[in-house]
Amino acid sequence: RKEVEQDPGPFNVPEGATVAFNCTYSNSASQSFFWYRQDCRKEPKLLMSVYSSGNEDGRFTAQLNRASQYISLLIRDSKLSDSATYLCVVNTITQGGSEKLVFGKGTKLAVNP
Amino acid sequence: DTEVTQTPKHLVMGMTNKKSLKCEQHMGHRAMYWYKQKAKKPPELMFVYSYEKLSINESVPSRFSPECPNSSLLNLHLHALQPEDSALYLCASSQEWTRYEQYFGPGTRLTVT
Repeated sequence: RKEVEQDPGPFNVPEGATVAFNCTYSNSASQSFFWYRQDCRKEPKLLMSVYSSGNEDGRFTAQLNRASQYISLLIRDSKLSDSATYLCVVNTITQGGSEKLVFGKGTKLAVNP
Repeated sequence: DTEVTQTPKHLVMGMTNKKSLKCEQHMGHRAMYWYKQKAKKPPELMFVYSYEKLSINESVPSRFSPECPNSSLLNLHLHALQPEDSALYLCASSQEWTRYEQYFGPGTRLTVT
């Protein structure tokens, strides 16, 4: 099982639609979870951290399900400017006992007029 | 202010050249990172510095040599690169090593000819 898995998409949705992305992770000891967005040829930008209790920031809602080892991102009322690649990021304990963040391959979203 | 700056934005170098990439942050972060990103792939971790000490080297070839002169600066020295090393090189910083969100610089787009 890959450390962090995401549906690569692309997701093509009309403006105003609600879209959900899921991400699964393999290390049950992982403690930190994030969603980043990355526009074409730009750097990843932090969208939101994901907490056990779930969190919401405007049109964006993130949820964490530790039992099933997945996190989700819900985008409501999609805007054209939401078009980007969404990266699921999870901290992972390496064999040597250190930690690092592992990126999923990203899910591409295209919001159409 | 969550700004990480990187110079240069673009770099073209021959396989016999020596060049350096620079990264700077003034957020008081104690961890800094180098990532390599190829087109349509997620960022791949190369190095982690924590409190100015190299903490992780992800088996990166020795033609890449990182340096952390102080807590705000991170360099990546390049020598005898190969064309397959052409990529976007991203610097990031975080409050502490992992478990915290990372903030990325705009990257240096490197082309090796």
